[in-house]
Amino acid sequence: DSGVTQTPKHLITATGQRVTLRCSPRSGDLSVYWYQQSLDQGLQFLIQYYNGEERAKGNILERFSAQQFPDLHSELNLSSLELGDSALYFCASSVFSAPGRNTGELFFGEGSRLTVL
Amino acid sequence: AQKVTQAQTEISVVEKEDVTLDCVYETRDTTYYLFWYKQPPSGELVFLIRRNSFDEQNEISGRYSWNFQKSTSSFNFTITASQVVDSAVYFCALSGLVDQGGSEKLVFGKGTKLTVNP
Repeated sequence: DSGVTQTPKHLITATGQRVTLRCSPRSGDLSVYWYQQSLDQGLQFLIQYYNGEERAKGNILERFSAQQFPDLHSELNLSSLELGDSALYFCASSVFSAPGRNTGELFFGEGSRLTVL
Repeated sequence: AQKVTQAQTEISVVEKEDVTLDCVYETRDTTYYLFWYKQPPSGELVFLIRRNSFDEQNEISGRYSWNFQKSTSSFNFTITASQVVDSAVYFCALSGLVDQGGSEKLVFGKGTKLTVNP
């Protein structure tokens, strides 16, 4: 058990819909990362938040957005869903050991499996 | 840009065999970190090891060992006397700078699926 909690574990929805994935980081971790894992693209970094603020952006589509709340949990919002958005979405957290330098390993949740029909 | 290559897509071995998973990376950073993660069939990603670019000492942890060679940009992972429970997808990852502000992300290889047969 990594200490990172993701809900829901599984989600099935239709194209054009919107879903929200939730992540609670490990106690004390200030950084939250979102990754997308698909068969063709592998593990792709989407976005990172640190203490409530966006810290880094990766290959995140404009239809996707995220935020980190004061209690440090994070939500990933996926809208106008397409078939290709079907994937396993991971949240990870880490201790940000020094400003601007993440030297710690990421602890991953169990993922949210999204299926778009 | 950072890149991680795991050339072996799938490996199949018989229990008790030794197996090495290859990882080659590219980065322009002088300071970086390398990681291995395990993803068992249940789906979660489990951290195995982190190594910084200044420490080229090999590491052994039980049946697991890692060989970091900066000269060849490789960070290979060996499982000795493999067991069925080692069956999983193994990912090599590299921490890299996203921007000049120092933000980092982990760049993952495509993974190697290891199947250990009884």
